[in-house]
Amino acid sequence: GAGVSQSPSNKVTEKGKDVELRCDPISGHTALYWYRQSLGQGLEFLIYFQGNSAPDKSGLPSDRFSAERTGGSVSTLTIQRTQQEDSAVYLCASSLDGGSREQYFGPGTRLTVT
Amino acid sequence: GQSLEQPSEVTAVEGAIVQINCTYQTSGFYGLSWYQQHDGGAPTFLSYNALDGLEETGRFSSFLSRSDSYGYLLLQELQMKDSASYFCAVKTSGTYKYIFGTGTRLKVLA
Repeated sequence: GAGVSQSPSNKVTEKGKDVELRCDPISGHTALYWYRQSLGQGLEFLIYFQGNSAPDKSGLPSDRFSAERTGGSVSTLTIQRTQQEDSAVYLCASSLDGGSREQYFGPGTRLTVT
Repeated sequence: GQSLEQPSEVTAVEGAIVQINCTYQTSGFYGLSWYQQHDGGAPTFLSYNALDGLEETGRFSSFLSRSDSYGYLLLQELQMKDSASYFCAVKTSGTYKYIFGTGTRLKVLA
């Protein structure tokens, strides 16, 4: 595709439910990043993929958060047993490779946990 | 810990020049990036400095001093559409992850 796409654009879920957020990076981009942005705040790094492997998972807040990437393309971020503090915009970005200067961001998924 | 500091808000008038500073403290450094984010939008890339000095891209310039752990974004000939949040981000060595600052909200007044 022309850019990074994410789905769903909005997700409202009840506390305790599991959610899956999807990211489709730009075709050919080997590096993929997940970030979380709370209202009015900066971007919080969650995880970085190079190909299908994740050299850096240091930003995942707890073991309720996990992510995978298959075929060096689509990535899924899963949050289990959601809590209200998980409410935020989840942004995905891709770049040609890990050494690239520029990241291209998707539009984000706004997650609201009630 | 790792941190980046930016002013929270800057206000300037149309046509003016504004500088947004960023100081960083990170373990490992590859480069300093700047991103623009309009309300409700996704961040978009503005510039990247890996070496000391000034990089110019149209009305935007970015500066880096690695010895001072400091950089800035310079916006010239401000336009109303430049009203947005601006984030600096350090690309850390080792795993290529980015650490973002908390952002500077720029308001451009007519």
